Amino acid sequence: GQNIDQPTEMTATEGAIVQINCTYQTSGFNGLFWYQQHAGEAPTFLSYNVLDGLEEKGRFSSFLSRSKGYSYLLLKELQMKDSASYLCAVSNTGNQFYFGTGTSLTVIP
Amino acid sequence: EAGVVQSPRYKIIEKKQPVAFWCNPISGHNTLYWYRQNLGQGPELLIRYENEEAVDDSQLPKDRFSAERLKGVDSTLKIQPAELGDSAVYLCASRARGGSNEQFFGPGTRLTVL
Repeated sequence: GQNIDQPTEMTATEGAIVQINCTYQTSGFNGLFWYQQHAGEAPTFLSYNVLDGLEEKGRFSSFLSRSKGYSYLLLKELQMKDSASYLCAVSNTGNQFYFGTGTSLTVIP
Repeated sequence: EAGVVQSPRYKIIEKKQPVAFWCNPISGHNTLYWYRQNLGQGPELLIRYENEEAVDDSQLPKDRFSAERLKGVDSTLKIQPAELGDSAVYLCASRARGGSNEQFFGPGTRLTVL
C-alpha cells in the first residue's frame, strides 16, 4: 500500500493564500495529482506533477519534491467557491492510483 | 465531448439485496476504474480495467462484489448481497492511454443500505 498524509481540515480567509501539504511514501513513483471535490460531487482534476518543481495554473499552483516525498497545493486570491475537499493522489509505474483522505478547506469572508 | 456517465445516481436498498451500478467511460478511454468513497475519506480503488481485462482487483471484496467490462467499453459493478457497511459513493473514472495519466470521474452512485 501507500502512505499519503494531508491535513484533515483547514480554514482560510477570502482573498488570502493557502497552502495544503501532502506527504507520501511509494515505490515506483509516477506522478502526483491534486483533485478538488465539492460536497456531493465527483473529484475534478486540478494539477499533475511528475518532475520536481512548481507547476502554475492560474490561481492554483502545485509543487513537488520527489526526494522528500512532498507536495503542496497553493491557492491564491481565495474565493468562497474554493471551499471544498482537496485530494492528493499518487500513481506508480504499475498504473496504480492512491488517494489521500482529503483536506477540507473552508473559506470564510 | 460527453463525460463519464454513471447510473443510477442514487440507490436505496435493504441489506441482503443485490445492487448493480453502471458506468460508460469517455469514448476512447481504455482504462476504467471503480472506486468506493466513504464520507470524509478519499476514494479507494476497487478494480481497474485495461480494455476488457481486470488488471488490479486486489481491493475488491470478491465474496460479494463482482465487476465486468465485457466489450472493453462500459462496465457494471455488482454487490450481492449488500451489507450495511457498503453504504458509500461508488465512483467510476476513465483514463486515456498515454498523456498525463489524468483520470476523469463520473458523478458517482450514492448507495444507502438500510
